[in-house]
Amino acid sequence: DAGVTQSPTHLIKTRGQQVTLRCSPISGHKSVSWYQQVLGQGPQFIFQYYEKEERGRGNFPDRFSARQFPNYSSELNVNALLLGDSALYLCATREGASYNEQFFGPGTRLTVL
Amino acid sequence: LAKTTQPISMDSYEGQEVNITCSHNNIATNDYITWYQQFPSQGPRFIIQGYKTKVTNEVASLFIPADRKSSTLSLPRVSLSDTAVYYCLVGEGPGSGNTGKLIFGQGTTLQVKP
Repeated sequence: DAGVTQSPTHLIKTRGQQVTLRCSPISGHKSVSWYQQVLGQGPQFIFQYYEKEERGRGNFPDRFSARQFPNYSSELNVNALLLGDSALYLCATREGASYNEQFFGPGTRLTVL
Repeated sequence: LAKTTQPISMDSYEGQEVNITCSHNNIATNDYITWYQQFPSQGPRFIIQGYKTKVTNEVASLFIPADRKSSTLSLPRVSLSDTAVYYCLVGEGPGSGNTGKLIFGQGTTLQVKP
């Protein structure tokens, strides 16, 4: 079984640019969540989508947006990049909106110069 | 959501049992306790989850006292490959209304030595 996949694995951008990160869930998983992990800290929740609708949002500015497609894959967009946006961006998926374990992808390492 | 407190770091030796305790004094009635493991440059991996008493799976045990204000993750006979960061999370349990939001703290960095 393929796990959660994310692309790209690494990305280098400059301040002010925009970036799009992609996540493909495990087959059958309809819920996708996005997390930001800054070096030395635990992951911080950004968004959760279930059945193409936003179900939760963390304390992130409006520069961060996301969407989920009919095939349940998801994109995270970040506009007007800041140096502080440099982090590992993680995608986590699960079968439904109710409790079960979440499966994380390997992440996308974003570096903003 | 309930805040968790766990040791920043722990050291152990191969073959020993490791117990990591997490404090969650403000846990809500419907909150579950979940532990994740994370290796460098990888996403976290679910280890175990419980609501009360004891839960055991093939990799760990989770002990939760009656008041549920703390929990202990027990890793039997650790090996070098168990060196990782371990996160204790408290949050939503079963229910169609939950958002899937996981609140991670700083975690406990476990260093297993030969």
